[in-house]
Amino acid sequence: DTEVTQTPKHLVMGMTNKKSLKCEQHMGHRAMYWYKQKAKKPPELMFVYSYEKLSINESVPSRFSPECPNSSLLNLHLHALQPEDSALYLCASSQLYGTGVGYTFGSGTRLTVV
Amino acid sequence: GESVGLHLPTLSVQEGDNSIINCAYSNSASDYFIWYKQESGKGPQFIIDIRSNMDKRQGQRVTVLLNKTVKHLSLQIAATQPGDSAVYFCAERQFSGGYNKLIFGAGTRLAVHP
Repeated sequence: DTEVTQTPKHLVMGMTNKKSLKCEQHMGHRAMYWYKQKAKKPPELMFVYSYEKLSINESVPSRFSPECPNSSLLNLHLHALQPEDSALYLCASSQLYGTGVGYTFGSGTRLTVV
Repeated sequence: GESVGLHLPTLSVQEGDNSIINCAYSNSASDYFIWYKQESGKGPQFIIDIRSNMDKRQGQRVTVLLNKTVKHLSLQIAATQPGDSAVYFCAERQFSGGYNKLIFGAGTRLAVHP
């Protein structure tokens, strides 16, 4: 299995809702990432997990709460979002060491906040 | 020809021509540089990478050139095909607090015309 699977593919939520994005990989990668991508912009790093521990938080607002329950799963819990949080949310995974630097990305969750 | 849109520059080429996509990076300490292709509705797909101690690397129909003096990276695509139409991002791997993270450049849309 060489894929990163993200669910759901599309999500519409109100500003008072609580929802979660899910990401799964079975490549044995021990680093996992959340990126946010606005239209016509590059992906922007939000969080990095290494060995299931949060290692980098790029000053992301607390209404985004990541969780890594095990080495294959990564969640992003959403609460009290704003319309400007509407974007494509991408999950990626990679090896931690060695020369395999390529991150494998999922297809993303298209989030719309209304 | 090349044009700059509101946020995403576009390179238009004829099918069969060679394409050159350019990128400027920011961090002299980055150890790897990677090119990604992103098609509409999909996540970024790894194309090719190059280590910072190299200046050229070739893959199938693609070549990456690295000029560290001017912090410039380019992706050459030979015999461009309609299936190459996508947005191309360069990315640099940086280290922060002992962990690595991938930072993306602005991106270029490649439009291939028959």
